[in-house]
Amino acid sequence: RKEVEQDPGPFNVPEGATVAFNCTYSNSASQSFFWYRQDCRKEPKLLMSVYSSGNEDGRFTAQLNRASQYISLLIRDSKLSDSATYLCVVNVNTGNQFYFGTGTSLTVIP
Amino acid sequence: EAGVAQSPRYKIIEKRQSVAFWCNPISGHATLYWYQQILGQGPKLLIQFQNNGVVDDSQLPKDRFSAERLKGVDSTLKIQPAKLEDSAVYLCASSFIMTGELFFGEGSRLTVL
Repeated sequence: RKEVEQDPGPFNVPEGATVAFNCTYSNSASQSFFWYRQDCRKEPKLLMSVYSSGNEDGRFTAQLNRASQYISLLIRDSKLSDSATYLCVVNVNTGNQFYFGTGTSLTVIP
Repeated sequence: EAGVAQSPRYKIIEKRQSVAFWCNPISGHATLYWYQQILGQGPKLLIQFQNNGVVDDSQLPKDRFSAERLKGVDSTLKIQPAKLEDSAVYLCASSFIMTGELFFGEGSRLTVL
């Protein structure tokens, strides 16, 4: 079983739409959670960390459900510049490995 | 602040040839990672160093892949001999503390013909 599972999409949404991505992880010892963004043919970059209480950064909201081992990312008022692949990342402290999901592709359409 | 440096950016080789990739992490970052990213997939960890020691190399195909970080700074990843399925982007990343943010280099894109 994969450490991190994501719906690969693609998600094609119009500008201004709200879109949500989900991710599940298998290791209950996972301690830290992140969303990374990867533009086409570029390296991944940190979008935001995910905290147990949930956190928001502008149009982006991340939530964590430890009981269900589930992470989500909500993007409101989508912009053309949000088009990218969004990678769910989980850190397991016991070995300090960072596990990446396959990524979810988002295209925002004018 | 200088980012993670990687070279070469692109490499095309024939199968059974060898190739080496170099990475220079952000100054002061003790943890260094090599990831393999095949088109359409997420990055897969190959090897993780803490200073010059290996923390995890469980997913490194040791029959053909090797990596070293002799002085705890720069690192080299080598593939010998290469196979067609090794075509991928090889990403180097570093972090300051064990659970800190990963900073990636631009990657080395390998094509094996």
